[in-house]
Amino acid sequence: AQSVTQLDSQVPVFEEAPVELRCNYSSSVSVYLFWYVQYPNQGLQLLLKYLSGSTLVKGINGFEAEFNKSQTSFHLRKPSVHISDTAEYFCAVTTISGTYKYIFGTGTRLKVLA
Amino acid sequence: EPEVTQTPSHQVTQMGQEVILRCVPISNHLYFYWYRQILGQKVEFLVSFYNNEISEKSEIFDDQFSVERPDGSNFTLKIRSTKLEDSAMYFCASSEYGGLETQYFGPGTRLLVL
Repeated sequence: AQSVTQLDSQVPVFEEAPVELRCNYSSSVSVYLFWYVQYPNQGLQLLLKYLSGSTLVKGINGFEAEFNKSQTSFHLRKPSVHISDTAEYFCAVTTISGTYKYIFGTGTRLKVLA
Repeated sequence: EPEVTQTPSHQVTQMGQEVILRCVPISNHLYFYWYRQILGQKVEFLVSFYNNEISEKSEIFDDQFSVERPDGSNFTLKIRSTKLEDSAMYFCASSEYGGLETQYFGPGTRLLVL
């Protein structure tokens, strides 16, 4: 079975500072990884995904993530955050077995401070 | 940009009552999903649906739950006799071809069972 761990439930950071949101996964088979963002009162929006190829994945809004198979991690980074990045961020994993259901982490609430 | 919509946004019900949560997936999508998030916990997979059949369901999706695509646009989740522990945010998602195609999520329905 797969699992996803997001160790940081909340991350406060000042505007224009860099941020890293951590995601670790556990799986006995090959995985595919996603980061979703949820703004207040909105649905989950895909930020980026890793399916294969380059381990550095670039997404929307200036975010990127690096797949590290040896460390079973898929950390999300942004070099300079804006107030508008304040949201909940979810890491998710799926595999090629079954119906590609997503296994989510508990989410990290990013709060960007002025 | 097409989006997944869900109604109602909030629902309060008494224990033992039936509730129906409604979703309108993106129009050309063929694969549909329900997830839920109990406050402070992970987003959990409930069920996937394709070609008018359940493709996969989780242990949570017991006989009290059912899904239906009553017409060409709606996708519903019914909870037959709600329990206190059914209180959660319920997310609907859809994807065009299933597999590793991106799942697009709705804004969720917050269900409170009293």
